[in-house]
Amino acid sequence: DAGVIQSPRHEVTEMGQEVTLRCKPISGHNSLFWYRQTMMRGLELLIYFNNNVPIDDSGMPEDRFSAKMPNASFSTLKIQPSEPRDSAVYFCASSLGNNQPQHFGDGTRLSIL
Amino acid sequence: AQSVSQHNHHVILSEAASLELGCNYSYGGTVNLFWYVQYPGQHLQLLLKYFSGDPLVKGIKGFEAEFIKSKFSFNLRKPSVQWSDTAEYFCAVSSNKLIFGAGTRLAVHP
Repeated sequence: DAGVIQSPRHEVTEMGQEVTLRCKPISGHNSLFWYRQTMMRGLELLIYFNNNVPIDDSGMPEDRFSAKMPNASFSTLKIQPSEPRDSAVYFCASSLGNNQPQHFGDGTRLSIL
Repeated sequence: AQSVSQHNHHVILSEAASLELGCNYSYGGTVNLFWYVQYPGQHLQLLLKYFSGDPLVKGIKGFEAEFIKSKFSFNLRKPSVQWSDTAEYFCAVSSNKLIFGAGTRLAVHP
């Protein structure tokens, strides 16, 4: 079974550059979540979508972060401009509903130099 | 507001020891409860879930959890841990959305 697919797996870039993280949820799942995980802050929910519509973006740290879900099979998380404090592992997860078990992707390990 | 509290941030055990990780939540309504595990360098995986019915839930790899509604708790247990159980464990609660606890890092020594 194809699980949640994230790309890239790793990204290293210089501060100020635009970063785009991609996620393909499990087919048929109608909820999609973006998380950020760091040692200091643990696992943080950034934003989630139901049926491609952003429901709660209160976890998005600031205007440099944006997320889109143009269709049921694709979502992006963009950081522009990136800063060293954005370095983290970013996970995407999907589920059949926003309170159902979530299936996580392998994450994108982002390093901003 | 809904919140999840995991009391132990770090737990160190020897193999064959028994494990209990605490999880308490604050929400007065009906909730779904989950435990996830994250092995080193990997993504979160579902260990077990409780929606309704028997409050003692069996999960994968010998884990179980008990929902005690009066205590707003959903503690995770395993009678005998193995070195391979070394991981971070997250409790999560959902009513209208899923909220994760801060996680407990478990280290099992051979």
